[in-house]
Amino acid sequence: GENVEQHPSTLSVQEGDSAVIKCTYSDSASNYFPWYKQELGKRPQLIIDIRSNVGEKKDQRIAVTLNKTAKHFSLHITETQPEDSAVYFCAARHDKIIFGKGTRLHILP
Amino acid sequence: EAGVTQFPSHSVIEKGQTVTLRCDPISGHDNLYWYRRVMGKEIKFLLHFVKESKQDESGMPNNRFLAERTGGTYSTLKVQPAELEDSGVYFCASSQASGFDEQYFGPGTRLTVT
Repeated sequence: GENVEQHPSTLSVQEGDSAVIKCTYSDSASNYFPWYKQELGKRPQLIIDIRSNVGEKKDQRIAVTLNKTAKHFSLHITETQPEDSAVYFCAARHDKIIFGKGTRLHILP
Repeated sequence: EAGVTQFPSHSVIEKGQTVTLRCDPISGHDNLYWYRRVMGKEIKFLLHFVKESKQDESGMPNNRFLAERTGGTYSTLKVQPAELEDSGVYFCASSQASGFDEQYFGPGTRLTVT
C-alpha cells in the first residue's frame, strides 16, 4: 500500500546550525506534500507545504524541496533556534494524506 | 475563531469497555478527518467525512470502530469493545475543502486501554 518513509527518527543539531529531514513516498500520483510540526503537548500544525508542480518553496528559515522523479522531498531549517525543537511529520497526499513516522528534532544550546 | 476541539483529552479504560471520542471541527468546515498515532509510529488516517457522508473509511482498522457525523457538524468515534492495541492518540482535523486545503488539527485524545 501507500507509505511515506521519514528519516531520521531523531535529530540533534547545535543552535544556529541547519537541520534536514528527508522523506520518500511510494504513490507516484501524490500531488501535495505538507509538513507538520508538533510541539510537546500541542497539536500538529502545518508549517509549510508544496505542490507537485513546484520543485522548491521557501518561507523565511524553512524550505522544502521536491524531486518527483525520485519520489523524495525534504525539509530544511536554517539558523535553528530553541523553539524549533519539536516532532516534524512529512506527508504525501493523493486521495488521502499519508504521514511519515515523525522526526524528533532537538536543538542543542 | 475557535479551533478544532476534541473531548476528552485523555481516557483510560479497561479492555472490553466502550469509549466515545468527540470532535468539533472549525465552524463551516465540511471536511472532517480522524487519525490515530500509536507511540513512535506515523499519524495514520482512519476516515474522512464530507459533511455527514463518509468519503473514505479505508483506514478504519475493524468493525469495533464506528464513526458518525450526524448533521454534518461534530463527529464521534466509538470503540466497542476496546482492545489493548487501540491505545494511542486520536486526532481529528478539519478543512474547508478537500484537496490542497490545510487541515487544522485538534489537540488529540490520548486513549489508554489497560
